[in-house]
Amino acid sequence: AQKITQTQPGMFVQEKEAVTLDCTYDTSDPSYGLFWYKQPSSGEMIFLIYQGSYDQQNATEGRYSLNFQKARKSANLVISASQLGDSAMYFCAMRDGTGFQKLVFGTGTRLLVSP
Amino acid sequence: DAGVTQSPTHLIKTRGQQVTLRCSPKSGHDTVSWYQQALGQGPQFIFQYYEEEERQRGNFPDRFSGHQFPNYSSELNVNALLLGDSALYLCASSLGPGDTEAFFGQGTRLTVV
Repeated sequence: AQKITQTQPGMFVQEKEAVTLDCTYDTSDPSYGLFWYKQPSSGEMIFLIYQGSYDQQNATEGRYSLNFQKARKSANLVISASQLGDSAMYFCAMRDGTGFQKLVFGTGTRLLVSP
Repeated sequence: DAGVTQSPTHLIKTRGQQVTLRCSPKSGHDTVSWYQQALGQGPQFIFQYYEEEERQRGNFPDRFSGHQFPNYSSELNVNALLLGDSALYLCASSLGPGDTEAFFGQGTRLTVV
């Protein structure tokens, strides 16, 4: 069975600084995908970044990058130059390689960006 | 271009009642997945619909059922509501069941009293 672990219930960062949100995963599937989503208080899950298990390079999307360490089964999200609007819940998720969009989520990390 | 829309946004029901939640996928998307997010938890996969059929199901009892219509919109039905069914119900749509990116709606907040 697949499992996602996010050990940081909350993180604080000052505006314009970088922050790393931790995510470790467990799966026996050789093919899988890893996702990060942002959930503001409105409830909507906003897709941030995706990393496939066979991707050779770490994924980047603007200020978001995914530090993928396959041997350690970790997929940490790095947010550079934090902004006040980054304050939200952040969820790491994974899916297996069956081709179906069935996501397994972690418990999330609440990020608070201060001025 | 409208994203994923869910209705209603909030709902209060009594134990034992039945509820129907609705989801309209993003334009052009043909696959709808439903998730339950209890307070303080990450979303849990309920099921996925593609081509009007349930394609995958998570660990939810048969009280949870769904439907997908020819226009790709979807309904989630929950029978015999329990207090523990109180949660945010999220709908996600994608272009095909295996699409990398799923777009989520803002959810329906269900409270069972």
